[in-house]
Amino acid sequence: DSGVTQTPKHLITATGQRVTLRCSPRSGDLSVYWYQQSLDQGLQFLIQYYNGEERAKGNILERFSAQQFPDLHSELNLSSLELGDSALYFCASSVGTAISNTEAFFGQGTRLTVV
Amino acid sequence: ELKVEQNPLFLSMQEGKNYTIYCNYSTTSDRLYWYRQDPGKSLESLFVLLSNGAVKQEGRLMASLDTKARLSTLHITAAVHDLSATYFCAVDSNTGNQFYFGTGTSLTVIP
Repeated sequence: DSGVTQTPKHLITATGQRVTLRCSPRSGDLSVYWYQQSLDQGLQFLIQYYNGEERAKGNILERFSAQQFPDLHSELNLSSLELGDSALYFCASSVGTAISNTEAFFGQGTRLTVV
Repeated sequence: ELKVEQNPLFLSMQEGKNYTIYCNYSTTSDRLYWYRQDPGKSLESLFVLLSNGAVKQEGRLMASLDTKARLSTLHITAAVHDLSATYFCAVDSNTGNQFYFGTGTSLTVIP
C-alpha cells in the first residue's frame, strides 16, 4: 500500500457526462500529480498541484480541470466525456515540489470507462 | 518534447533465462526511474538512478544508467514467473515536475 488513496476504483459513465476523481495523498506529502494511462497514449502527465497551487501542466485537455484543497486532497474533473477519455487515471504524491527530488508514490488508479 | 523509448515492447522469456530491457531518452538527464506495473494495478517504484554510472540491484533485477549515451538498462537474471509484469522507465523533466514515461515493456516469463 503506497498510502495514496484514489476513489472510486472504477467508474462507468456515458459520453457527454461529467465525473470527478478524488485523490488523497500520503500523509505529509504536499504535491499531487495526475497521470492518464491509455493504450494508445501510454502514461501521460496531466497536472501537478503543490500545497494548493497549480505547479505544472502537461497534456491536459481544456475539458479537464483539477484542484487541490486545503486538506491537500485533490480532485480531477472530467467533463463532456468522450469515448477516448476511457483510461486509467493515476494520482501520485510526493513531499517536495518536484517529483524527481523525492520519491513519488502512486495510487491504485481510477479506471474510467466512457460508453 | 522529451521522448523516452523502450525496447522491446513485448518480451516472452523462459524461466531461468537472462535478458535486458533498454530505455533510451532524448535529452540530458541525470536521473532515471524504473517502475513495475502488474495488470490493473498501480506503479511500484523499483529503482531510482541519480547519476552517470549508477548501478542498483534488487534480487534478480539490476538497473544501470549511462547518461552520456542517454541509456538505461534493466537486466533480468534467471527469470522467474513472479517477474511477469510491465516495466516502465521514466525520466524527469528539466523542472523536475513531471515524469516522461517510456512505452513500457510487457514481460511474460514462461515456466
